[in-house]
Parts: sequence; C-alpha cells; structure tokens
Amino acid sequence: QVQLVESGGGVVQPGGSLRLSCAASGFTFSSYGMHWVRQAPGKGLEWVAFIRYDGSNKYYADSVKGRFTISRDNSKNTLYLQMNSLRAEDTAVYYCAKDLGQQLASYYMDVWGKGTTVTVSS
Amino acid sequence: DIQMTQSPSSVSASVGDRVTITCRASQGISSWLAWYQQKPGKAPKLLIYAASSLQSGVPSRFSGSGSGTDFTLTISSLQPEDFATYYCQQANKELTFGGGTKVEIK
Repeated sequence: QVQLVESGGGVVQPGGSLRLSCAASGFTFSSYGMHWVRQAPGKGLEWVAFIRYDGSNKYYADSVKGRFTISRDNSKNTLYLQMNSLRAEDTAVYYCAKDLGQQLASYYMDVWGKGTTVTVSS
Repeated sequence: DIQMTQSPSSVSASVGDRVTITCRASQGISSWLAWYQQKPGKAPKLLIYAASSLQSGVPSRFSGSGSGTDFTLTISSLQPEDFATYYCQQANKELTFGGGTKVEIK
C-alpha cells in the first residue's frame, strides 16, 4: 500500500541543524512532487516546502526560506528536509505528503506520513 | 501571501445534522482549494480538491462548492466518525491553510 514514513526528528538547540527523511513506498516516487507540512503544538497546519517530481523546482514558505532545503533521491525513494538555523518557532510535527498530481503538480496532498516531531529548545 | 479565513472556528452538532463550514480567501484563487479532515494525533486526510472534486474513497456525504474567494464544505448528515478538525488549503500561490474548524459533539 502507499506509505510515507518520516524519521530524523528530535530535540535540538536554537541555531542548530537537523535533517528529516521521508521513505516512500507503494507508488512510483519519481513521478510525484512531494511536500513538507508542519504543525506546531496545538496549532494549525503550515505548508513548508515543495519539490517537483524530478527535483527541478523547489518552493518554500517565507518563514523557512534561506534556512531549510528540500531535496530528494529518486533512486532511494526518499525525500529530505535539511533544517538549519533552527528557532523555537520551528518546533512542530513535520509531515511529508505526496502531491495528488502525477508529474504535473496539483499542489494538493493526497497521502501523508504519520509525522516526526522536532523540538527546538535550549 | 493569500490568507485563508475559516468560519466558524468551532461548531457543535449532533449525529445526522447538516454541517456547513466556510473558507474565504483574501484574493481570488479560482477553484484552487482543498479540504482536509484531521483527527487528534493523526495526519490530515484529503477530502475535496479543486473546490468540488471528491477524493477517492471519501463518503459522498462530503461535498465542496465555491470559486473565487468564497468556498464551502458541507457534511450532509454528520456521522460519529466525522467529529474532527477541518482545514481548507489554497493551492493558487504559496500554499496556505485556513485556521481550522473543530466539529464537536453537541
């Protein structure tokens, strides 16, 4: 079945770095754009970043631009989020999500992982 | 950025009730809108995309309508499993979500 499994979350000090991974299975990973979405404790959803199916284009929320980098390895069916210069306000559950559209992005998210928790605290 | 405003922020309803949630965009987004359902401790689930298209496997009691700046999610007959928080999301430019509407048991 279609599945996304995030990993790499943890506790990090302000200013630190963390790399999240998202392992995909059950679909042709290399044909779909992928998203990262986060949810701070008790808050709503915030889109973080998107990468096209072939990695040719990447888009970021203003809140993370210049600090976070989305990437993918289609040979490993894995999505990544490199997070640098972390701040307390980056504390959240981070979800990876598959775009609904095949190759042509729809910017809707039809499959979600269970999330990984990132806590930025001294 | 395009701001998405949902109303109400919460609604109390009974099983069998018709529930309507609205979402307003700060500028026109054509039909670039989705609705998600999220239950506590779980990932969101896509219900509706392109404002009115029902995602595969989603019960037909869920429907979406609207275009431009005003959108609606309707649950025609609320079921016990529908008590959750619902989010709209615009897909026109830098993606943004509404603040959420919690559907609670009356």
